[in-house]
Amino acid sequence: QVQLVQSGAEVKKPGASLKVSCKASGYAVTAYYMHWVRQAPGQGLEWMGIIIPSRGTTTYEQKFQGRVTMTRDTSTNTVYMELSSLRSEDTAVYYCARARYGGNQIDLWGQGTLVTVSS
Amino acid sequence: QSALTQPRSVSGSPGQSVTISCTGTSSDVGGYNYVSWYQQHPGKAPKLMIYDVSERPSGVPDRFSGSKSGNTASLTISGLQAEDEADYYCCSYAGSYTFFGGGTKLTVL
Repeated sequence: QVQLVQSGAEVKKPGASLKVSCKASGYAVTAYYMHWVRQAPGQGLEWMGIIIPSRGTTTYEQKFQGRVTMTRDTSTNTVYMELSSLRSEDTAVYYCARARYGGNQIDLWGQGTLVTVSS
Repeated sequence: QSALTQPRSVSGSPGQSVTISCTGTSSDVGGYNYVSWYQQHPGKAPKLMIYDVSERPSGVPDRFSGSKSGNTASLTISGLQAEDEADYYCCSYAGSYTFFGGGTKLTVL
């Protein structure tokens, strides 16, 4: 079954770092690009960036430049998103999302990982 | 970076049709035929409904259709059903970046 399985919910303190994993199942993670998208409580979808798992190259939304790092481990078919210097505004559900179609259009989403930043 | 513009809410009665607009610029919506639409029910991950402006993935009812004119894309849902009540997001390719709309809440009356 083709799916993206993300790591579990986390609670972090302000200033800490976060690392969310996204394991691809049913296909090789190197076959398609992978986005990271987040959604704050009651808000819309916010694009964070994209990684090309076959090469490890990344493009980040300017808002997150310097704070976000997207990586992959092809041996475990997994991609990761790390966000540093967390603040309360980073409280959100974080999604990985596969880009199967042209123009990096998303066809498949992970189940989401709830991250709560609170002192 | 700027989000694509969608109406905050739309509504319709069962059996009616509704259209949700998504306005961008010539650098995103108007510049590429890579507009997609996602349906999101509360507490769930988004689901792809339309890609390449007007293509439906397997399993999506043909009540859902997409189109584009200039810098504005549209999602039309015909024969509204109760289960269509959800949030809908448009998304566009913009070169190295991807933009989402702010989302539209569809209420089935």
